[in-house]
Amino acid sequence: AQKVTQAQTEISVVEKEDVTLDCVYETRDTTYYLFWYKQPPSGELVFLIRRNSFDEQNEISGRYSWNFQKSTSSFNFTITASQVVDSAVYFCALSDTYSPLITQGGSEKLVFGKGTKLTVNP
Amino acid sequence: SAVISQKPSRDICQRGTSLTIQCQVDSQVTMMFWYRQQPGQSLTLIATANQGSEATYESGFVIDKFPISRPNLTFSTLTVSNMSPEDSSIYLCSVDSSGGYEQYFGPGTRLTVT
Repeated sequence: AQKVTQAQTEISVVEKEDVTLDCVYETRDTTYYLFWYKQPPSGELVFLIRRNSFDEQNEISGRYSWNFQKSTSSFNFTITASQVVDSAVYFCALSDTYSPLITQGGSEKLVFGKGTKLTVNP
Repeated sequence: SAVISQKPSRDICQRGTSLTIQCQVDSQVTMMFWYRQQPGQSLTLIATANQGSEATYESGFVIDKFPISRPNLTFSTLTVSNMSPEDSSIYLCSVDSSGGYEQYFGPGTRLTVT
């Protein structure tokens, strides 16, 4: 069965520090997708990234970067030069590719980790 | 990206009553998902709603408790029936983007059962 582990429950940093959020996953599927979402205090889930299991290239988007390593089943998320607005709960998620619609661009149900609450202090 | 709205945004309900939550998307989508987020917890999938067929429920969730409708490609409802305080949660709907490469979530419905 799919499982996502975010071992860090809470992290507190001072503004401008770099911070890495860890995500370790388990799956028997050879094709799967990994996601990161941000949930600010307002409660809405904000999509950050989706990565498929065949693409191990690291990704950078502004201050955000993601390190995907299949060898260690990890998909870690780094925020560089953190800001107060980065304070939120961050969820890592794994797709369950049970849907026959996947190959037609259909969506997948997601298995979420427990989340990491990041607090960036001024 | 898809724009998703949910109604109501929050509600306080009495034990034993039912609440229907609406999810509206600004474009046609194949699949819609309903998740529950209990206080301070992660998200758990309740069911998958495909237009024109019965919803598929995850283990631990049953249709009698969480009936779902999916009358068209832009709309779905989730009803929380015979509520108890344990049902106090945020309920979120989500949809796939065109091509299925991203999954977006609605703003959520904060339900408190007293």
